[in-house]
Amino acid sequence: DADVTQTPRNRITKTGKRIMLECSQTKGHDRMYWYRQDPGLGLRLIYYSFDVKDINKGEISDGYSVSRQAQAKFSLSLESAIPNQTALYFCATSDHRTGITGELFFGEGSRLTVL
Amino acid sequence: GENVEQHPSTLSVQEGDSAVIKCTYSDSASNYFPWYKQELGKRPQLIIDIRSNVGEKKDQRIAVTLNKTAKHFSLHITETQPEDSAVYFCAASINTGNQFYFGTGTSLTVIP
Repeated sequence: DADVTQTPRNRITKTGKRIMLECSQTKGHDRMYWYRQDPGLGLRLIYYSFDVKDINKGEISDGYSVSRQAQAKFSLSLESAIPNQTALYFCATSDHRTGITGELFFGEGSRLTVL
Repeated sequence: GENVEQHPSTLSVQEGDSAVIKCTYSDSASNYFPWYKQELGKRPQLIIDIRSNVGEKKDQRIAVTLNKTAKHFSLHITETQPEDSAVYFCAASINTGNQFYFGTGTSLTVIP
């Protein structure tokens, strides 16, 4: 089945380290997103990309960067991780060609712990 | 930007009873309102959505209502079952696929 895959699924790292979370999709969707989930705060948008040459900041982009290497790949980087970036990170995709709904398809999540 | 508020944060109901979760939004330009369900340890999945040109939408035991004037929308689950236990998120966006602004979630527990 077409899916959204995130790696790694779990990562523990130390303050100041560089971390990359990767997302790949086989759904053929054009739009990709990175969200962060914290208890009591819901899902907050970090970055989104409508196609390979389009990158947009979301609500909480500070401290993060992204790269859209291909239509199917969207990576999130933390250049110098800090403890308050400890969270569950979700990649998501959607398809906005004519007639397609706005449904977000989420990956399984990447749990990041920064010590 | 858009601000979506969701209440209550936790909700417990007896099996068979109804559950209602309410959300308000701030940007009158928002016109697409999806609801996502996240079971424990799983990814969020869309369960129902509504666009601003309709006031209500039903799908079996779940329904969503929208009041554009008051800028609020609600999720209604009837005849709740234990498998309805999950965290539910509302969201709002301007057109499908633009920035989705999510509520803070409601943890629903259905007591057998």
